[in-house]
Amino acid sequence: GAVVSQHPSRVICKSGTSVKIECRSLDFQATTMFWYRQFPKQSLMLMATSNEGSKATYEQGVEKDKFLINHASLTLSTLTVTSAHPEDSSFYICSAPGTGARDQYFGAGTRLSVL
Amino acid sequence: GDSVTQMEGPVTLSEEAFLTINCTYTATGYPSLFWYVQYPGEGLQLLLKATKADDKGSNKGFEATYRKETTSFHLEKGSVQVSDSAVYFCALGFSGGGADGLTFGKGTHLIIQP
Repeated sequence: GAVVSQHPSRVICKSGTSVKIECRSLDFQATTMFWYRQFPKQSLMLMATSNEGSKATYEQGVEKDKFLINHASLTLSTLTVTSAHPEDSSFYICSAPGTGARDQYFGAGTRLSVL
Repeated sequence: GDSVTQMEGPVTLSEEAFLTINCTYTATGYPSLFWYVQYPGEGLQLLLKATKADDKGSNKGFEATYRKETTSFHLEKGSVQVSDSAVYFCALGFSGGGADGLTFGKGTHLIIQP
């Protein structure tokens, strides 16, 4: 089946630094990818929709200057958390629609801890 | 806005026990409903789905029926195994579930003891 690879799986950084998370579709092309965030004991919340060749669409309340999304190719989307702060510590997950857009395939997630 | 509520975990059961994980939703329109499962260290995987009222999704012994009247999509399995230990997420979406972002519940951690 379709596989989505997400890297890194875990990152610890100092406050004020930027962190880049990669999401790759390994055996299929994805013109769209989704980025979710999950705080402890909370739901996965959709942050933004990444579109190849155009700007990302952000959900209400998500700062686009804080969470930079670049969909550079049909198999790669990146999320950069700029000037990370402890409140950005969370679990970030990406997904991509499969053929026919009837389902989504998820990466294993990235746990970000900002000290 | 749309929302999904599922029972809090962890849920701990003995092997071969009957499983129910409750899920209710609030949505405008007529969503598709999903159950995803996440095993340790892996991404969420679609377990089953239902796209309209009264549909029953089933896979690997798990079942869930789309109940419009009660806005529910409870997950059931008649006899669980240790290998079913995972986190289960109920979700809703439109456009069949692939073209738009999904709305998830908080997840239920299921622990099956031998």
